[in-house]
Amino acid sequence: GQQLNQSPQSMFIQEGEDVSMNCTSSSIFNTWLWYKQDPGEGPVLLIALYKAGELTSNGRLTAQFGITRKDSFLNISASIPSDVGIYFCAGQETSGSRLTFGEGTQLTVNP
Amino acid sequence: DAGITQSPRYKITETGRQVTLMCHQTWSHSYMFWYRQDLGHGLRLIYYSAAADITDKGEVPDGYVVSRSKTENFPLTLESATRSQTSVYFCASKRDRAYEQYFGPGTRLTVT
Repeated sequence: GQQLNQSPQSMFIQEGEDVSMNCTSSSIFNTWLWYKQDPGEGPVLLIALYKAGELTSNGRLTAQFGITRKDSFLNISASIPSDVGIYFCAGQETSGSRLTFGEGTQLTVNP
Repeated sequence: DAGITQSPRYKITETGRQVTLMCHQTWSHSYMFWYRQDLGHGLRLIYYSAAADITDKGEVPDGYVVSRSKTENFPLTLESATRSQTSVYFCASKRDRAYEQYFGPGTRLTVT
């Protein structure tokens, strides 16, 4: 099946630093979603994007729906230890009801 | 507000045994999904259901069976478990015409 290219695969940063990650697809998406997964838990929805060019914030998190509709970006500002986890992007094409997931970005924050 | 729950949270079974993983949601969402999560593969869709008595295959359906007699429940059965089915299994649900899926806490299954 189709996959999203999510990068980077992992990041090791110091507390207080900003973080950027992105996803790209060969297909056009209607919607981009960003999830966070804590160890031993299920993914939790962070941000949903519905229109090309849309920029949406949730606290220290900001995500953007790329103009081409084939990519999305997530930024985390002033990282803190509880930001540790795996961040997934997910997209949905125009037709259908299924999401395609990226392989995740493992974030480690050193205090 | 229970949301979406999965049981058991952990299961160890032997090769060849049948095992059923349960998923229950209290939101009356139309759609329900089963994913497996493995290192290097992210989340892969096994089966999904658009409504009671309507199910469809996902990306990796072989070796799995689902049913949906009630809107709130979506059990996943491994008819004859294999070691390759050792994984973490997540159930998710969403409203009709919505994009956002909401995940359960997962079931960690080990097949020995």
